[in-house]
Amino acid sequence: EAGVTQSPTHLIKTRGQQATLRCSPISGHTSVYWYQQALGLGLQFLLWYDEGEERNRGNFPPRFSGRQFPNYSSELNVNALELEDSALYLCASSLVRNEQYFGPGTRLTVT
Amino acid sequence: DQQVKQNSPSLSVQEGRISILNCDYTNSMFDYFLWYKKYPAEGPTFLISISSIKDKNEDGRFTVFLNKSAKHLSLHIVPSQPGDSAVYFCAATDLNAGKSTFGDGTTLTVKP
Repeated sequence: EAGVTQSPTHLIKTRGQQATLRCSPISGHTSVYWYQQALGLGLQFLLWYDEGEERNRGNFPPRFSGRQFPNYSSELNVNALELEDSALYLCASSLVRNEQYFGPGTRLTVT
Repeated sequence: DQQVKQNSPSLSVQEGRISILNCDYTNSMFDYFLWYKKYPAEGPTFLISISSIKDKNEDGRFTVFLNKSAKHLSLHIVPSQPGDSAVYFCAATDLNAGKSTFGDGTTLTVKP
């Protein structure tokens, strides 16, 4: 069974640009979660999508947004990139609302 | 305000001995707790979990203990193996909010 996949692996953008990160959950999982892990920090909850709807979001500005598609894959969009957005972005999926299975992450670098 | 804290950034133990990783939380709405293990350049891997209605859950070499009154959980690894060397994150979940709050992680090093 394929795990959670994320693309791209690495992404380099300049300040002010927009970044789009993609996530494909494990087959059959309907919930997708996004986390940010900045250097030296723990995982910070960003967004939770379930059945195509945003269910909850963390303490991040509105320029962090996303969506979940009918096939349960998800996109995270970060607008007006700032240097401090440089981080590892992790996507996780779950079938039940407890055990989350993580993808390998997308390393976003903003220069 | 950090709701989930792992006060030890690192822990070093000898192979074969017990590793004890600790985690404290403040939010009484958390009702499910999980431990994840993370190797460099990989996403976290689910290890073991415990519901707030239990005080212990065991899976092979891994045991998680929950002390609700103290708002404390711990992960015991017995016996520790060099392959256990990784960063361990504890996470506390409010199931209704669908949100897991993670600690900052503890780097475990198991020496041969």
